[in-house]
Amino acid sequence: GQQLNQSPQSMFIQEGEDVSMNCTSSSIFNTWLWYKQDPGEGPVLLIALYKAGELTSNGRLTAQFGITRKDSFLNISASIPSDVGIYFCAGQSGGSEKLVFGKGMKLTVNP
Amino acid sequence: GAVVSQHPSRVICKSGTSVKIECRSLDFQATTMFWYRQFPKQSLMLMATSNEGSKATYEQGVEKDKFLINHASLTLSTLTVTSAHPEDSSFYICSAKVSRGHPSNQPQHFGDGTRLSIL
Repeated sequence: GQQLNQSPQSMFIQEGEDVSMNCTSSSIFNTWLWYKQDPGEGPVLLIALYKAGELTSNGRLTAQFGITRKDSFLNISASIPSDVGIYFCAGQSGGSEKLVFGKGMKLTVNP
Repeated sequence: GAVVSQHPSRVICKSGTSVKIECRSLDFQATTMFWYRQFPKQSLMLMATSNEGSKATYEQGVEKDKFLINHASLTLSTLTVTSAHPEDSSFYICSAKVSRGHPSNQPQHFGDGTRLSIL
């Protein structure tokens, strides 16, 4: 099935560092979502974006809906060990309730 | 808010057994629920969209007679893996949208998944 291009695939950072990840698509989306998944659990919604150019924060997390509607990024500032996990982007196009997922970005935070 | 409960969290059973997984929206009504399958170190792959009171819509390549979906109420959808075989072993995750009375662009909220192991 269709997938988004999510990068990087993995990151190893030190506690306190910032991290940035992005997703791109060849098609336009009306909604961009960012989820975090811990091992053996389901994805948890971090941020939802509904408008091109929208910049939304949730604590140390900031995400933006690209102006072209074909990309989105997520920043995590001042990382802590519990930020470890896999981060997925997901897009939803108009007229469909289905989500298209990126392949995920595995984050490792060294204390 | 928007809590989705999935049960059981883990199932180990013999080949040929049928296994039922439940997905419940605890604090909201969901006319639409989704079932995903996730293999190790991979992303989520949509299997089917479950619509309350009607037949589920299956993605291409997903056998509807193998993966039976029932969405009999606004808070419950079930996935039954019939005559399961080792190749059906996987992590199955459901999601639900707050749909009734809300804007159509509500995000999907996920359950904690079910680890299915077929011996």
